[in-house]
Amino acid sequence: DTGVSQNPRHKITKRGQNVTFRCDPISEHNRLYWYRQTLGQGPEFLTYFQNEAQLEKSRLLSDRFSAERPKGSFSTLEIQRTEQGDSAMYLCASSTGTSGMYNEQFFGPGTRLTVL
Amino acid sequence: AQSVTQLGSHVSVSEGALVLLRCNYSSSVPPYLFWYVQYPNQGLQLLLKYTSAATLVKGINGFEAEFKKSETSFHLTKPSAHMSDAAEYFCAVSSLGAGSYQLTFGKGTKLSVIP
Repeated sequence: DTGVSQNPRHKITKRGQNVTFRCDPISEHNRLYWYRQTLGQGPEFLTYFQNEAQLEKSRLLSDRFSAERPKGSFSTLEIQRTEQGDSAMYLCASSTGTSGMYNEQFFGPGTRLTVL
Repeated sequence: AQSVTQLGSHVSVSEGALVLLRCNYSSSVPPYLFWYVQYPNQGLQLLLKYTSAATLVKGINGFEAEFKKSETSFHLTKPSAHMSDAAEYFCAVSSLGAGSYQLTFGKGTKLSVIP
């Protein structure tokens, strides 16, 4: 069990640039979640996939944000035209998927984004 | 809608003393409740969870929490603090009862342990 991995661990970019993060879930997990954590706050839900289908999106996920999980395995989160307010830790989590039941979410180490 | 309030953004205890981290929740449906721990520059690790079984839940590293419906609380305790417990702790509620798999987190409580 290698756990959830995220790359890169740190990203520094200039305002207006595009950035992309990758998340590799635990191999048998069919659910994948993205959260954002700003300084001094708890994680906030962004979006959720069941296999390759994106089933939930938070209102925090503006049109500059797009997430994909093309083959139901790894996922990418892209932020276009980054703003300083996008600076945060982006956390990925995965879980098994039993309908109607809570399945424990396992979190990756996160990608810390700094927008200058 | 679900929400979580953690009282005290920073708690300091002496090594060997009782740890008490407070969490109150709001939920329109029977909640699933969780405590996660986060060490610096790391992801979240699940300490324990309440999923409508026993109201007193035991977790890893000697932590436990009690679900009190009448008080809408889920406080985290540990009888004797260890230096390695210094970290940030998050209480969370699941939205599964409302048809969503997302977790709603509190703002966190940073625990410092004084030698």
